[in-house]
Amino acid sequence: DAGVTQSPTHLIKTRGQQVTLRCSPKSGHDTVSWYQQALGQGPQFIFQYYEEEERQRGNFPDRFSGHQFPNYSSELNVNALLLGDSALYLCASSSQGAGDTQYFGPGTRLTVL
Amino acid sequence: SQQGEEDPQALSIQEGENATMNCSYKTSINNLQWYRQNSGRGLVHLILIRSNEREKHSGRLRVTLDTSKKSSSLLITASRAADTASYFCATDKSFQKLVFGTGTRLLVSP
Repeated sequence: DAGVTQSPTHLIKTRGQQVTLRCSPKSGHDTVSWYQQALGQGPQFIFQYYEEEERQRGNFPDRFSGHQFPNYSSELNVNALLLGDSALYLCASSSQGAGDTQYFGPGTRLTVL
Repeated sequence: SQQGEEDPQALSIQEGENATMNCSYKTSINNLQWYRQNSGRGLVHLILIRSNEREKHSGRLRVTLDTSKKSSSLLITASRAADTASYFCATDKSFQKLVFGTGTRLLVSP
């Protein structure tokens, strides 16, 4: 049983560019949440997708958007990249009907130059 | 913004010793979860304790929760070098939106 997978592992972009990160949830999970973790900090909640809709959103600007597909996989898009967007982006999956534990993927390390 | 704080920020112990980390949070919660993170990679779920529970065990881990003080502690007994990692508490107030603390960096020396 594959766990949560994320791609790519590492990504280098320049300011102003756009980036798309991808996440496949753990088998049987229907909810995907995205988190941003700056160096030396705890992860911060970006948003959550359930039934292909954004259900909750953290304190992030509209440059951060996402999508969930019918197979429950998800994408995180960031437009007009800033240097401060450099971080580890973590995807977590969970099931609405099977408790509250969230399982995290290995993350995508984004560097903005 | 972070929900709360872990204490201490860093902890250095010898193999075989016990490690205790504390977490404080600010609002009412449904549950509190502890995660481990190695070398800035993905988070590994360790244990979940619900708001109506006071103590929970899993192998060498013991977690306590005091909702009146809005605090939790994680005890790792008989530490091993492989336990070296950062440990985060995360609170879930609603719909699985986790709010993380700042983390404790644990170093276990052989």
